[in-house]
Amino acid sequence: KQEVTQIPAALSVPEGENLVLNCSFTDSAIYNLQWFRQDPGKGLTSLLLIQSSQREQTSGRLNASLDKSSGRSTLYIAASQPGDSATYLCAVNTGNQFYFGTGTSLTVIP
Amino acid sequence: DVKVTQSSRYLVKRTGEKVFLECVQDMDHENMFWYRQDPGLGLRLIYFSYDVKMKEKGDIPEGYSVSREKKERFSLILESASTNQTSMYLCATRSQGLFGEQYFGPGTRLTVT
Repeated sequence: KQEVTQIPAALSVPEGENLVLNCSFTDSAIYNLQWFRQDPGKGLTSLLLIQSSQREQTSGRLNASLDKSSGRSTLYIAASQPGDSATYLCAVNTGNQFYFGTGTSLTVIP
Repeated sequence: DVKVTQSSRYLVKRTGEKVFLECVQDMDHENMFWYRQDPGLGLRLIYFSYDVKMKEKGDIPEGYSVSREKKERFSLILESASTNQTSMYLCATRSQGLFGEQYFGPGTRLTVT
């Protein structure tokens, strides 16, 4: 069974810093990987989707990379802002199932 | 924009009650999913549906059932609510095909007393 791990569980950075969130998975047989943001008590908002054939995707200050063979993905956030404070989750798609990490809780300090 | 709506944001029910959670999407997506989210355990798949009247069990289907009579609506049913079903319930859809993107609703925080 696919297992997804996100390290660290929590991260606190000063405003303006660039940061990297990590996601690792145990089985490389995936269709794609998706990064989400979740604010407290809310649903998940999709940030980026990387297909298994792609190496990276970019949206604004966000850049996600995928190394399927090593079972790793990173989400890079440039010039962090207090509004980026949230929990970030990654999910791997194995076809009929999505497997989620437990997330990284990010706090950006003004 | 894809819109996924859930019938209630907060719900309080008593042990033994039958509970219905409704999810509606407006994008004609074939695939729909029900998850529960608990601290430390992350999101776990309860059931998913890949077409009308079709359903598949996820990782934790015990104590739940689902109904999908129309493409846009996917219902989660707790046959006899128990306190260990207190959780955040999240509905999601997937755009066409196995390579599609998931879209989530706002969630329902269910408390069973």
